[in-house]
Amino acid sequence: AQSVTQLDSQVPVFEEAPVELRCNYSSSVSVYLFWYVQYPNQGLQLLLKYLSGSTLVESINGFEAEFNKSQTSFHLRKPSVHISDTAEYFCAVKAGGGNKLTFGTGTQLKVEL
Amino acid sequence: DVKVTQSSRYLVKRTGEKVFLECVQDMDHENMFWYRQDPGLGLRLIYFSYDVKMKEKGDIPEGYSVSREKKERFSLILESASTNQTSMYLCASSFGSGPTYEQYFGPGTRLTVT
Repeated sequence: AQSVTQLDSQVPVFEEAPVELRCNYSSSVSVYLFWYVQYPNQGLQLLLKYLSGSTLVESINGFEAEFNKSQTSFHLRKPSVHISDTAEYFCAVKAGGGNKLTFGTGTQLKVEL
Repeated sequence: DVKVTQSSRYLVKRTGEKVFLECVQDMDHENMFWYRQDPGLGLRLIYFSYDVKMKEKGDIPEGYSVSREKKERFSLILESASTNQTSMYLCASSFGSGPTYEQYFGPGTRLTVT
């Protein structure tokens, strides 16, 4: 079975500062990795995903994540955050050919002025 | 755009009541999912369905049942609501099976059982 660990439940950061949200996974088979974002009072939206190929993946709003197989990590980064990035971020994994997504416990990113 | 709608944003029910949560998707997706979201626990899969009238248990199916009579609609049923079922419930759908198919989420229903 696969699992996902998001060690940081909350990350406060000032606007225009860089941020990293950490995600580690465990699985005995090949994995596909996702970051979802949940803005206040909304459902989840896919932010970015790693399926294969380049280990660095990017979103349209400046976030990026790097798949590191040796460290079993998929950390999310942004070089300069905006107040509108305030949201909860969930890392998720699919293992093998399955349909099931396993989510981490989420990281609340709070961007302050 | 894919749209997943849920029948209520907020719902308050009494202990012991039978509760129906409805989810509808408009993109002819094969798969539909029900999750519950709790602070510090993330999202946990309750049930999913990969076809009409087909269902599979997720990680926490106890106390819940589901129904999928039409492809676009997936219902979550709490046969006898209890206070520990107070939670945010999220519905999702995806076009196909396998890892490459993105799940699209509805806005959620915040259920309070008193």
